[in-house]
Amino acid sequence: KNQVEQSPQSLIILEGKNCTLQCNYTVSPFSNLRWYKQDTGRGPVSLTIMTFSENTKSNGRYTATLDADTKQSSLHITASQLSDSASYICVVSRFSGGYNKLIFGAGTRLAVHP
Amino acid sequence: DAGVTQSPTHLIKTRGQQVTLRCSPKSGHDTVSWYQQALGQGPQFIFQYYEEEERQRGNFPDRFSGHQFPNYSSELNVNALLLGDSALYLCASSLARTGSSYNSPLHFGNGTRLTVT
Repeated sequence: KNQVEQSPQSLIILEGKNCTLQCNYTVSPFSNLRWYKQDTGRGPVSLTIMTFSENTKSNGRYTATLDADTKQSSLHITASQLSDSASYICVVSRFSGGYNKLIFGAGTRLAVHP
Repeated sequence: DAGVTQSPTHLIKTRGQQVTLRCSPKSGHDTVSWYQQALGQGPQFIFQYYEEEERQRGNFPDRFSGHQFPNYSSELNVNALLLGDSALYLCASSLARTGSSYNSPLHFGNGTRLTVT
């Protein structure tokens, strides 16, 4: 079954600290993996997109890694800020029937406290 | 450059009623996808429209239907509303491509919060 599982479900960290969010998937055939940030009451915003051949991609203080062999990805946030408080959603795309089909994880809810 | 816009932002309906949600895609995009997001969950794919036709559909009943207009804007219609239809409905736009090399990000609107009482 094509699934995306994220951990932890929620996380609380202090401002200025680093954190790492995990994403495991069982999606096949794999097309790409995306990380989105979703602020409360808003739509998701794309952070990174990685294909099979990419094992790391950065977007400012956000760095995503991908291990296609173990089907794992992580999102590392450096020097967290209060504005990083949001849900972070891992999305894996599979190629099927001529189209890319996106499979969403349930997200990790991050709270950054002062 | 306007992003994806959705209307209304909030809506309250009664069980059994019908609702129509609207979406205008990001300028230059021709494909619109609709998602349902329950509280604390990830978005669930409803369907996707391209060239005014439904191109893909998720595991949602026929009560959920849609339409895409020649200007690429789209509507989501839900009939016979149930309490379980209460959710954030997200519209996302993209530029059509086929093939596994397609890696363009989806651009999401801020959603319509539907409450069914």
